[in-house]
Amino acid sequence: EAGVAQSPRYKIIEKRQSVAFWCNPISGHATLYWYQQILGQGPKLLIQFQNNGVVDDSQLPKDRFSAERLKGVDSTLKIQPAKLEDSAVYLCASTPGGYHEQYFGPGTRLTVT
Amino acid sequence: AQKITQTQPGMFVQEKEAVTLDCTYDTSDQSYGLFWYKQPSSGEMIFLIYQGSYDEQNATEGRYSLNFQKARKSANLVISASQLGDSAMYFCAMSARRDSGYSTLTFGKGTMLLVSP
Repeated sequence: EAGVAQSPRYKIIEKRQSVAFWCNPISGHATLYWYQQILGQGPKLLIQFQNNGVVDDSQLPKDRFSAERLKGVDSTLKIQPAKLEDSAVYLCASTPGGYHEQYFGPGTRLTVT
Repeated sequence: AQKITQTQPGMFVQEKEAVTLDCTYDTSDQSYGLFWYKQPSSGEMIFLIYQGSYDEQNATEGRYSLNFQKARKSANLVISASQLGDSAMYFCAMSARRDSGYSTLTFGKGTMLLVSP
């Protein structure tokens, strides 16, 4: 069974530029999450999808971050415009639902200069 | 609101010895799940073990066991017979139902484990 796929693995941009990350969850997993992990901290939930609907985006900085999950499969997270404090690893995870463990992708390491 | 506390920023252990990583949690929910994840330097989060709040037995998965003390709200991870490959960051996390009706994970700040030969 293929795991959660993410791309790109690394991205370096200048502040005020835009960037997009892509995630393909495990086949059949209805729930998809995007996390931000700043160096030295645990992952922080940005947004949670159930199929193609948003169920929690309370911690998403909506003035600059956006995410979508078209057709309830792949998802894209966008930052526009980026700030220095957005430098972090962005992790995508998926789960069948309930209290099942979440399966994480390898993450995208973003550096904003 | 849920909160996870990991008080050990770093732990050192010799190969083949056992080590305990501490985790305490705070929640007003009656039903929740507790997880431990391992994050090697490559960055991927690897699921290790799960304990449900109503499970009476402590969870075990190979060399990993979870010492669950519900009254003390603690969920410590015990790694027996440490191996060099166990060197990594370890995160404790809790899953609980949000207002949306769906569950989500809250992570602690992590503990860095270094295993020496």
